[in-house]
Amino acid sequence: DIQMTQSPSSLSASVGDTVTITCRASQSISSYLNWYQQKPGKAPKVLIHDASSLQSGVPSRFSGSGSGTDFTLSISSLQPEDVATYYCQQSYSTPLHTFGQGTKLEIK
Amino acid sequence: QVQLVQSGAEVKKPGASVRVSCKASGYTFTDYYMHWVRQAPGQGLEWMGWINPKSGGTIYAQNLQGRVTLTRDTSITTVYLELSRLRSDDTAVYYCARDVGTPPENWFDPWGQGTLVTVSS
Repeated sequence: DIQMTQSPSSLSASVGDTVTITCRASQSISSYLNWYQQKPGKAPKVLIHDASSLQSGVPSRFSGSGSGTDFTLSISSLQPEDVATYYCQQSYSTPLHTFGQGTKLEIK
Repeated sequence: QVQLVQSGAEVKKPGASVRVSCKASGYTFTDYYMHWVRQAPGQGLEWMGWINPKSGGTIYAQNLQGRVTLTRDTSITTVYLELSRLRSDDTAVYYCARDVGTPPENWFDPWGQGTLVTVSS
């Protein structure tokens, strides 16, 4: 099974900062990596698919990069509404999917 | 618009079974696979399985094999999750999520609102 490891598990940043979240796969998954945002009490929402493709309607301050085993999600000009937990998910081994353990983002 | 609406919260005793429904609207039901994902309180997301609404074919996560069953009723564009022999660690919010894209370039969008299943004696 492919394991997904995110870091950090939590972080705190100020409005206007740029933050980066990392996701590492236990084996190469090419670019088959998606990022989701989950706000408290809500269902997850896709932000980035296929490592770097911005989902329609998602603000351009969100961006993704990487391939193989190492991926990043970046949020530039952090906004208060970005407080959420962020998850990566691999689709390389579809139909079996696995998620990272999540990164909780807070505002200082 | 594409929408997934799930059934309401459930409270079950250990050893019982639960069935959660997910009604799809706003798209051709049989054109998109449906996944189920669960989230225990304060924990991360766990993929449970998927169903092909056209054929009824299913794939399940290995750790749930034998306890989980996914079915669908195409006449009412609804998929169902049934989990049997419930344990306290099955307490979670259960989500359905539509599969989009072409495997392996696929992701989940949208998601249902979630259904809380509480297992308690």
